[in-house]
Amino acid sequence: EADIYQTPRYLVIGTGKKITLECSQTMGHDKMYWYQQDPGMELHLIHYSYGVNSTEKGDLSSESTVSRIRTEHFPLTLESARPSHTSQYLCASREDWDTEAFFGQGTRLTVV
Amino acid sequence: SQQGEEDPQALSIQEGENATMNCSYKTSINNLQWYRQNSGRGLVHLILIRSNEREKHSGRLRVTLDTSKKSSSLLITASRAADTASYFCATATMDSSYKLIFGSGTRLLVRP
Repeated sequence: EADIYQTPRYLVIGTGKKITLECSQTMGHDKMYWYQQDPGMELHLIHYSYGVNSTEKGDLSSESTVSRIRTEHFPLTLESARPSHTSQYLCASREDWDTEAFFGQGTRLTVV
Repeated sequence: SQQGEEDPQALSIQEGENATMNCSYKTSINNLQWYRQNSGRGLVHLILIRSNEREKHSGRLRVTLDTSKKSSSLLITASRAADTASYFCATATMDSSYKLIFGSGTRLLVRP
């Protein structure tokens, strides 16, 4: 059982709202990731982190931002949500470059 | 652009048959991993193969890696209805090993 948690699981919000998707892990992993996935489609890396105070943008341009103030916590923020942000957001962590990644159950976001 | 492309996009087989999925990637890698996703939930790690390995086994799973062709295959033997899921390959590239880039996935349906 993976010790990585995402909240909320489902979120429906109005256009223009600011939201933060939470991701926490208790495994002490330095490497953390955010992916965006439309139903039945591929995963797109939008942000990743090497460790505390280090964050990088992924391969898919995203209007979201992330922070990494604590090892266990990697929240993703949308300052002004739009319908185009409707998607599933998956958080993952791993110990190092040659180890497996553990995924949270995802947050399914709908912007109306 | 995504690092990996998977083939086929969808596969439908009868229970008991073998299922083979292929993954091709573009740049040199440190390792390649296979993951499984049920019904759009979080991904679960199946197997990791390093760039200096050619074949790995885990239960009914067999993974091969051909770095000269930049390709990998996942074989599931004696498939079961419970194997129905989407399967993704993911690569850690040599230029930035902390990134974990996923392929487009193969949707497998195992008919009872």
